[in-house]
Amino acid sequence: QQPVQSPQAVILREGEDAVINCSSSKALYSVHWYRQKHGEAPVFLMILLKGGEQKGHEKISASFNEKKQQSSLYLTASQLSYSGTYFCGTEDNYGQNFVFGPGTRLSVLP
Amino acid sequence: SAVISQKPSRDICQRGTSLTIQCQVDSQVTMMFWYRQQPGQSLTLIATANQGSEATYESGFVIDKFPISRPNLTFSTLTVSNMSPEDSSIYLCSVGHVYGYTFGSGTRLTVV
Repeated sequence: QQPVQSPQAVILREGEDAVINCSSSKALYSVHWYRQKHGEAPVFLMILLKGGEQKGHEKISASFNEKKQQSSLYLTASQLSYSGTYFCGTEDNYGQNFVFGPGTRLSVLP
Repeated sequence: SAVISQKPSRDICQRGTSLTIQCQVDSQVTMMFWYRQQPGQSLTLIATANQGSEATYESGFVIDKFPISRPNLTFSTLTVSNMSPEDSSIYLCSVGHVYGYTFGSGTRLTVV
């Protein structure tokens, strides 16, 4: 079952922050986050595992609330290069039933 | 992470014909995945290809339409058969799992 992402789209100015949410109706084992720029393949950002801690690198981090089956991706002080479509992907068990969310289109303007 | 070479990058095909897409990985992997991504949409898994066994297809995708080969641990092909304009899409192969998935650069298919 496909996870739900919100918002569908967001427009930011350079330097602003954004949060993208991903939620599922079923218990999750892991949540992945990917960014896809127009005309390119998706690129892996990070994975959050059940029982794991918040992850992050540079100004992009994410959290995973197992009880609510929700994950949030935090983009801090956004840069032009952050523009693209962000997909979460979820699996309900190790190596099983991985499915991508519908995506959130992020546009960062100068 | 693995590096995947996918080709062709794009093609324009006549309806009723077939196209075979190839993916070469720079390391041995147990499973390879084939996705379809329609314009502006998310990625939909077509099938999972294991070396030495039949591919496992997702609901809505059948072997006669999307035959897959997996002759060794570094290579796989996906064929889109008897194409119609509805098959126009981007097709991507992927590998990985625990440390995230890596994707080929994609094949943009247009059926006319």
